[in-house]
Amino acid sequence: NAGVTQTPKFRILKIGQSMTLQCTQDMNHNYMYWYRQDPGMGLKLIYYSVGAGITDKGEVPNGYNVSRSTTEDFPLRLELAAPSQTSVYFCASRIGPGANVLTFGAGSRLTVL
Amino acid sequence: DQQVKQNSPSLSVQEGRISILNCDYTNSMFDYFLWYKKYPAEGPTFLISISSIKDKNEDGRFTVFLNKSAKHLSLHIVPSQPGDSAVYFCAASGPTSYGKLTFGQGTILTVHP
Repeated sequence: NAGVTQTPKFRILKIGQSMTLQCTQDMNHNYMYWYRQDPGMGLKLIYYSVGAGITDKGEVPNGYNVSRSTTEDFPLRLELAAPSQTSVYFCASRIGPGANVLTFGAGSRLTVL
Repeated sequence: DQQVKQNSPSLSVQEGRISILNCDYTNSMFDYFLWYKKYPAEGPTFLISISSIKDKNEDGRFTVFLNKSAKHLSLHIVPSQPGDSAVYFCAASGPTSYGKLTFGQGTILTVHP
C-alpha cells in the first residue's frame, strides 16, 4: 500500500515549457487535491476532484490544468511555465464525505528558470 | 485574505518542556480543524484534529484546544522531544468545502536536547 505517489520529485523547466506532474493513489480515495507551497507560506489549493470525471478550481488555478479519468490518477498540467510557478507541489487524497483527513504525497519540487 | 494565520514563524523549546503553537482563523463557517506536521523533503502528515463541537482533544503527548469565541486554536506538545522538530501547519475546513483545507503559514518548531 504505497499511499499517494508523486512523480517527478524534482524538475527544472525553462520559461514557456510545459510539463505534467503525476499523482496516483492506491487507497481507492474518491477525493483528490493539488496544493502548492511557496517558501514561508502555507499550502494553497490549485485544483481538486471529487471523483473520476469531476474537477473544480481551487484558490490559485491560473496556469494549471487537471484531468481525472480514473479514481487512481490526478495529473496536474503546467502550460507555458513561468517563474511564479516555482514551488513545491503536493498531491493529496481522502476517502470521501465525512472523512476530513487528507493523506499527502511527498511532493514535487519544480523550478522554472 | 488569509483566513488561517499562524503568527509565529518559529518556536524554540528545550527538550522535556511544553511547546505551544498557536493559530487564528477568521472564517466563522470553519467547523473542523487539523494540525499537520511536516519534515523537510516530505509531505505533511496528519497529527491531530478537533471538531467545532469540542473544545479539547488529546492524543498522547498532543492536545489541541479550540476557543470558538476567539477563533483561536492551539497545539500543546508535552513533553517536547527533539524528534518533534518540524514545521507545524494549522488547517481548517467548512461543512460544504468537499474536504478542501485552508492552511496557515506554518510554524517551525525546534526542540533542543
